[in-house]
Amino acid sequence: GAVVSQHPSWVICKSGTSVKIECRSLDFQATTMFWYRQFPKQSLMLMATSNEGSKATYEQGVEKDKFLINHASLTLSTLTVTSAHPEDSSFYICSARDGPAVSNQPQHFGDGTRLSIL
Amino acid sequence: EDQVTQSPEALRLQEGESSSLNCSYTVSGLRGLFWYRQDPGKGPEFLFTLYSAGEEKEKERLKATLTKKESFLHITAPKPEDSATYLCAVQVIVDTGFQKLVFGTGTRLLVSP
Repeated sequence: GAVVSQHPSWVICKSGTSVKIECRSLDFQATTMFWYRQFPKQSLMLMATSNEGSKATYEQGVEKDKFLINHASLTLSTLTVTSAHPEDSSFYICSARDGPAVSNQPQHFGDGTRLSIL
Repeated sequence: EDQVTQSPEALRLQEGESSSLNCSYTVSGLRGLFWYRQDPGKGPEFLFTLYSAGEEKEKERLKATLTKKESFLHITAPKPEDSATYLCAVQVIVDTGFQKLVFGTGTRLLVSP
C-alpha cells in the first residue's frame, strides 16, 4: 500500500519550454502533497506544500510564478516548471501523505523526475 | 533554525559487519523523526517513524532508536542489498500551522560481499 506514482521519470527539453510533472497517489487519498528538489549528493529541499483545493504554500526563495502547483483532486498534484532554463535542471520528487494537514502519517515518495534543460 | 545532521557522510562495511548511523537534530518542536532509504535515481522509501525518547523500532536487519537529541539507525549483519543512502528527517510545525519534513544530507552506505 501507499504507492505514489510520478510521471514522467525523465525529461529533456530546450530552454524556454514549460514542463509539467504529475504526482498521483494510487491507493490512498492524499490531502497533502509535497514537492522537493534534490541536487546531486545533497538532501531533499522542500519547495512547496500542496493541499487539495487550496493554494500551495511555497518555501522561502521558491518562485511561485516559476513553479506552478495544482492539487485539484485528492489523488493528483502537478508541478509545472514555466519557461525552464538550464539552472532549473534537477531531480524533482513529490510525496503524498494520508490524513489531515496535521498528521503523524509518514510521507510516501514518488520515484522522481530527472529534468534536464538544454 | 531547525537543523538535522547525519554522520558519517559515507560508510563502507563488509557483509556481516554491524554498525550504526547517527542523526542529530536541533528543532523547536519535534513532531516525529523519520528514517528513509533512498536508492540511486529513486525516491525515498519509508522505513520508520519515532515520536518519543526511548522509542525503538525494528525491521529485519535495521533498528532505529531515539533520544532527545539524536537518533541511531543500527544495521546488524548487513548484506550487499542494504547498500543505499539512508536519510533522516524531522517533522516540525511551521508558522502556517502545517507540518513539514527537514531532511539531513544522508549517509551513503556501501556493503561489500
